[in-house]
Amino acid sequence: DTGVSQDPRHKITKRGQNVTFRCDPISEHNRLYWYRQTLGQGPEFLTYFQNEAQLEKSRLLSDRFSAERPKGSFSTLEIQRTEQGDSAMYLCASSAGRSEGNEKLFFGSGTQLSVL
Amino acid sequence: GQSLEQPSEVTAVEGAIVQINCTYQTSGFYGLSWYQQHDGGAPTFLSYNALDGLEETGRFSSFLSRSDSYGYLLLQELQMKDSASYFCAVYYYNQGGKLIFGQGTELSVKP
Repeated sequence: DTGVSQDPRHKITKRGQNVTFRCDPISEHNRLYWYRQTLGQGPEFLTYFQNEAQLEKSRLLSDRFSAERPKGSFSTLEIQRTEQGDSAMYLCASSAGRSEGNEKLFFGSGTQLSVL
Repeated sequence: GQSLEQPSEVTAVEGAIVQINCTYQTSGFYGLSWYQQHDGGAPTFLSYNALDGLEETGRFSSFLSRSDSYGYLLLQELQMKDSASYFCAVYYYNQGGKLIFGQGTELSVKP
């Protein structure tokens, strides 16, 4: 257990529905990341926050995706009008920031989304 | 653009040594990290190289050559529990400071 928790662990939804995932990072970590991972691939960057500020969003992310971190603690990732291509593992990670060029990410166990 | 290349799969026997290579194309690069992910689990940090050379942590070592844009993860005295996917990842300071992962190498350790 890395200390990063994600909820739910699994989500099955029908195409066109909206879904929301939650991530609770390690409490003292100010940086929070969302990644997406499909089978046999590496984690793909989606977006990240420094405290409550969303600093970057992947160009691959359509406007159906939105993420928030309202108080600089937990974060939510919402996908509107889900499509079958959204089916993936959504991973959240947190870190205490960079130290000597290194940033060690602590990942949660992810939310597995299946869009039918 | 930024891309990382690593072999898709490697097979080795218990007790052996295996090397997983990673080549990258980038500018504005801080260093090379390695993460391990067991089937169904979360990626976990293994090592980081900011400078050229070898970093050793127990049975695992990681190497970086900036001039060759190349690194590797060396696993010694392989155990069955080392069967997992291994990802190299690079941190780009001209990309807002995010970690970009390779496609991963699936390591299978056989008895």
